[in-house]
Amino acid sequence: GQQVMQIPQYQHVQEGEDFTTYCNSSTTLSNIQWYKQRPGGHPVFLIQLVKSGEVKKQKRLTFQFGEAKKNSSLHITATQTTDVGTYFCAGAQVKAAGNKLTFGGGTRVLVKP
Amino acid sequence: GAGVSQSPRYKVAKRGQDVALRCDPISGHVSLFWYQQALGQGPEFLTYFQNEAQLDKSGLPSDRFFAERPEGSVSTLKIQRTQQEDSAVYLCASSWDLAAYNEQFFGPGTRLTVL
Repeated sequence: GQQVMQIPQYQHVQEGEDFTTYCNSSTTLSNIQWYKQRPGGHPVFLIQLVKSGEVKKQKRLTFQFGEAKKNSSLHITATQTTDVGTYFCAGAQVKAAGNKLTFGGGTRVLVKP
Repeated sequence: GAGVSQSPRYKVAKRGQDVALRCDPISGHVSLFWYQQALGQGPEFLTYFQNEAQLDKSGLPSDRFFAERPEGSVSTLKIQRTQQEDSAVYLCASSWDLAAYNEQFFGPGTRLTVL
Protein backbone atom coordinates (compact mmCIF):
# COMPACT_ATOMS: atom_id res chain seq x y z
CA GLY A 1 0.00 0.00 0.00
CA GLN A 2 0.88 3.65 -0.11
CA GLN A 3 3.61 4.80 2.28
CA VAL A 4 4.55 8.33 3.25
CA MET A 5 7.90 8.99 4.91
CA GLN A 6 9.08 12.16 6.58
CA ILE A 7 12.59 13.25 7.51
CA PRO A 8 13.95 14.23 9.86
CA GLN A 9 11.94 12.66 12.64
CA TYR A 10 13.20 15.32 15.06
CA GLN A 11 14.39 18.84 14.35
CA HIS A 12 16.09 20.92 17.04
CA VAL A 13 16.36 24.51 15.87
CA GLN A 14 17.85 27.61 17.39
CA GLU A 15 15.35 30.44 17.49
CA GLY A 16 15.84 32.61 14.43
CA GLU A 17 17.33 29.88 12.24
CA ASP A 18 15.80 28.25 9.18
CA PHE A 19 15.06 24.57 8.59
CA THR A 20 13.42 22.25 6.08
CA THR A 21 11.44 19.06 6.55
CA TYR A 22 10.89 16.58 3.74
CA CYS A 23 8.08 14.25 2.77
CA ASN A 24 8.29 11.35 0.32
CA SER A 25 5.52 9.12 -0.99
CA SER A 26 5.93 5.65 -2.46
CA THR A 27 3.22 6.46 -5.02
CA THR A 28 2.16 9.44 -7.08
CA LEU A 29 -0.28 11.67 -5.23
CA SER A 30 -3.26 13.66 -6.40
CA ASN A 31 -2.49 16.24 -3.76
CA ILE A 32 -0.63 16.65 -0.52
CA GLN A 33 -1.73 18.38 2.65
CA TRP A 34 0.29 19.62 5.61
CA TYR A 35 -0.92 19.65 9.19
CA LYS A 36 0.55 20.94 12.45
CA GLN A 37 -0.06 19.28 15.79
CA ARG A 38 0.93 21.16 18.92
CA PRO A 39 1.93 19.09 21.99
CA GLY A 40 -1.24 17.65 23.50
CA GLY A 41 -3.34 18.96 20.63
CA HIS A 42 -4.88 17.67 17.44
CA PRO A 43 -3.76 18.10 13.83
CA VAL A 44 -4.64 21.46 12.31
CA PHE A 45 -4.67 22.00 8.56
CA LEU A 46 -1.98 24.27 7.17
CA ILE A 47 -2.13 24.01 3.39
CA GLN A 48 -2.87 21.85 0.37
CA LEU A 49 -0.77 21.50 -2.77
CA VAL A 50 -2.29 20.11 -5.94
CA LYS A 51 -0.21 20.99 -8.99
CA SER A 52 3.13 19.53 -9.99
CA GLY A 53 5.92 21.87 -8.89
CA GLU A 54 3.53 24.08 -6.93
CA VAL A 55 4.98 26.45 -4.34
CA LYS A 56 2.88 28.20 -1.71
CA LYS A 57 3.90 30.57 1.06
CA GLN A 58 2.31 31.38 4.37
CA LYS A 59 4.30 34.12 6.08
CA ARG A 60 7.51 32.35 7.15
CA LEU A 61 6.42 28.93 5.85
CA THR A 62 7.12 27.82 2.26
CA PHE A 63 5.57 24.61 0.92
CA GLN A 64 6.62 22.87 -2.26
CA PHE A 65 5.20 19.94 -4.25
CA GLY A 66 7.64 17.97 -6.35
CA GLU A 67 7.46 17.75 -10.13
CA ALA A 68 6.62 14.06 -9.99
CA LYS A 69 4.01 14.67 -7.28
CA LYS A 70 5.70 12.15 -5.01
CA ASN A 71 7.52 14.45 -2.64
CA SER A 72 7.04 17.70 -0.79
CA SER A 73 8.91 19.99 1.53
CA LEU A 74 8.18 22.57 4.21
CA HIS A 75 10.73 25.30 4.82
CA ILE A 76 10.43 27.58 7.84
CA THR A 77 12.49 30.75 8.05
CA ALA A 78 13.41 32.67 11.21
CA THR A 79 12.01 29.98 13.49
CA GLN A 80 10.02 31.20 16.49
CA THR A 81 8.97 29.42 19.68
CA THR A 82 5.41 29.38 18.33
CA ASP A 83 6.62 26.99 15.61
CA VAL A 84 7.02 24.20 18.18
CA GLY A 85 4.98 21.12 17.32
CA THR A 86 4.85 18.17 14.96
CA TYR A 87 4.42 18.81 11.26
CA PHE A 88 2.71 16.07 9.28
CA CYS A 89 2.39 15.71 5.56
CA ALA A 90 -0.54 13.67 4.30
CA GLY A 91 -0.89 12.33 0.79
CA ALA A 92 -4.18 11.83 -0.97
CA GLN A 93 -4.94 9.46 -3.79
CA VAL A 94 -8.26 9.68 -5.54
CA LYS A 95 -9.77 6.26 -6.06
CA ALA A 96 -12.93 5.19 -7.75
CA ALA A 97 -14.63 4.53 -4.44
CA GLY A 98 -13.35 7.67 -2.79
CA ASN A 99 -10.09 8.81 -1.22
CA LYS A 100 -8.24 8.95 2.06
CA LEU A 101 -5.19 10.64 3.53
CA THR A 102 -2.04 8.70 4.35
CA PHE A 103 -0.03 10.56 6.97
CA GLY A 104 3.70 10.55 7.37
CA GLY A 105 5.29 9.94 10.75
CA GLY A 106 5.82 13.65 11.32
CA THR A 107 8.74 15.92 12.09
CA ARG A 108 8.87 17.01 15.72
CA VAL A 109 10.22 20.52 15.99
CA LEU A 110 11.81 21.83 19.15
CA VAL A 111 12.97 25.44 19.31
CA LYS A 112 15.82 26.55 21.52
CA PRO A 113 15.38 30.16 22.66
CA GLY B 1 -18.73 28.12 15.20
CA ALA B 2 -18.40 24.78 16.92
CA GLY B 3 -15.70 22.47 15.75
CA VAL B 4 -15.54 18.69 15.78
CA SER B 5 -16.23 17.30 19.22
CA GLN B 6 -15.43 13.87 20.59
CA SER B 7 -16.42 12.06 23.75
CA PRO B 8 -15.22 10.83 26.05
CA ARG B 9 -11.88 12.63 25.98
CA TYR B 10 -10.30 9.87 28.05
CA LYS B 11 -11.32 6.25 28.43
CA VAL B 12 -9.69 3.57 30.55
CA ALA B 13 -10.87 0.04 29.84
CA LYS B 14 -9.95 -3.33 31.19
CA ARG B 15 -8.78 -5.80 28.61
CA GLY B 16 -11.77 -7.56 27.14
CA GLN B 17 -14.23 -4.73 27.68
CA ASP B 18 -16.18 -3.12 24.87
CA VAL B 19 -15.88 0.64 24.32
CA ALA B 20 -17.81 3.17 22.23
CA LEU B 21 -16.28 6.44 21.09
CA ARG B 22 -18.45 9.26 19.81
CA CYS B 23 -17.76 11.93 17.20
CA ASP B 24 -19.88 15.00 16.47
CA PRO B 25 -18.68 16.49 13.17
CA ILE B 26 -19.07 20.07 12.07
CA SER B 27 -22.66 20.66 11.04
CA GLY B 28 -23.15 20.15 7.32
CA HIS B 29 -19.92 18.26 6.73
CA VAL B 30 -20.59 15.33 4.45
CA SER B 31 -17.38 13.37 5.03
CA LEU B 32 -16.27 11.88 8.32
CA PHE B 33 -13.01 10.08 8.99
CA TRP B 34 -11.65 8.03 11.89
CA TYR B 35 -7.93 7.75 12.59
CA GLN B 36 -5.85 5.94 15.16
CA GLN B 37 -2.77 7.74 16.47
CA ALA B 38 -0.26 5.80 18.53
CA LEU B 39 2.17 7.69 20.74
CA GLY B 40 4.82 9.41 18.65
CA GLN B 41 3.26 8.34 15.34
CA GLY B 42 1.21 9.98 12.65
CA PRO B 43 -2.55 9.40 12.41
CA GLU B 44 -3.43 6.13 10.67
CA PHE B 45 -6.60 5.91 8.63
CA LEU B 46 -9.29 3.59 9.93
CA THR B 47 -12.46 4.32 7.99
CA TYR B 48 -14.55 7.05 6.39
CA PHE B 49 -18.15 7.89 5.63
CA GLN B 50 -19.93 9.96 3.07
CA ASN B 51 -23.13 10.87 4.83
CA GLU B 52 -24.34 7.55 6.28
CA ALA B 53 -22.49 5.36 3.78
CA GLN B 54 -19.25 3.77 4.93
CA LEU B 55 -17.20 3.93 1.75
CA ASP B 56 -13.87 2.65 3.00
CA LYS B 57 -13.12 0.57 6.07
CA SER B 58 -9.85 -0.85 4.86
CA GLY B 59 -7.91 0.59 7.81
CA LEU B 60 -9.86 -1.13 10.57
CA PRO B 61 -7.31 -3.40 12.29
CA SER B 62 -9.66 -6.31 12.96
CA ASP B 63 -13.28 -7.35 13.05
CA ARG B 64 -13.35 -6.12 16.66
CA PHE B 65 -13.56 -2.58 15.26
CA PHE B 66 -16.87 -1.31 13.99
CA ALA B 67 -17.98 2.18 12.98
CA GLU B 68 -21.37 3.59 12.11
CA ARG B 69 -22.96 6.88 11.16
CA PRO B 70 -26.63 5.96 10.88
CA GLU B 71 -28.10 9.40 10.20
CA GLY B 72 -25.16 10.91 8.40
CA SER B 73 -24.12 13.12 11.29
CA VAL B 74 -22.87 11.69 14.59
CA SER B 75 -20.56 8.70 14.31
CA THR B 76 -19.60 6.01 16.77
CA LEU B 77 -16.49 3.87 16.72
CA LYS B 78 -16.94 0.69 18.70
CA ILE B 79 -14.16 -1.60 19.79
CA GLN B 80 -15.13 -4.99 21.11
CA ARG B 81 -13.04 -7.11 23.48
CA THR B 82 -10.36 -4.42 23.79
CA GLN B 83 -6.70 -5.46 23.77
CA GLN B 84 -3.67 -3.59 25.07
CA GLU B 85 -2.53 -2.87 21.53
CA ASP B 86 -5.73 -0.86 21.04
CA SER B 87 -4.36 1.82 23.38
CA ALA B 88 -4.02 4.99 21.32
CA VAL B 89 -5.67 8.32 20.59
CA TYR B 90 -8.65 7.96 18.29
CA LEU B 91 -9.14 11.03 16.14
CA CYS B 92 -12.24 11.96 14.23
CA ALA B 93 -12.15 14.44 11.36
CA SER B 94 -14.78 15.90 9.06
CA SER B 95 -14.74 17.79 5.80
CA TRP B 96 -17.26 19.38 3.47
CA ASP B 97 -17.32 16.55 0.99
CA LEU B 98 -15.36 13.59 -0.28
CA ALA B 99 -13.21 15.50 -2.72
CA ALA B 100 -9.52 15.18 -2.11
CA TYR B 101 -9.22 18.93 -2.22
CA ASN B 102 -10.81 19.71 1.12
CA GLU B 103 -9.08 20.17 4.42
CA GLN B 104 -10.02 17.90 7.26
CA PHE B 105 -11.05 19.39 10.60
CA PHE B 106 -9.94 17.24 13.48
CA GLY B 107 -11.55 16.78 16.86
CA PRO B 108 -9.55 16.71 20.11
CA GLY B 109 -9.45 12.91 20.11
CA THR B 110 -10.28 10.21 22.63
CA ARG B 111 -7.31 8.78 24.48
CA LEU B 112 -8.01 5.09 25.08
CA THR B 113 -5.93 3.18 27.60
CA VAL B 114 -6.48 -0.55 27.87
CA LEU B 115 -5.15 -2.13 31.04
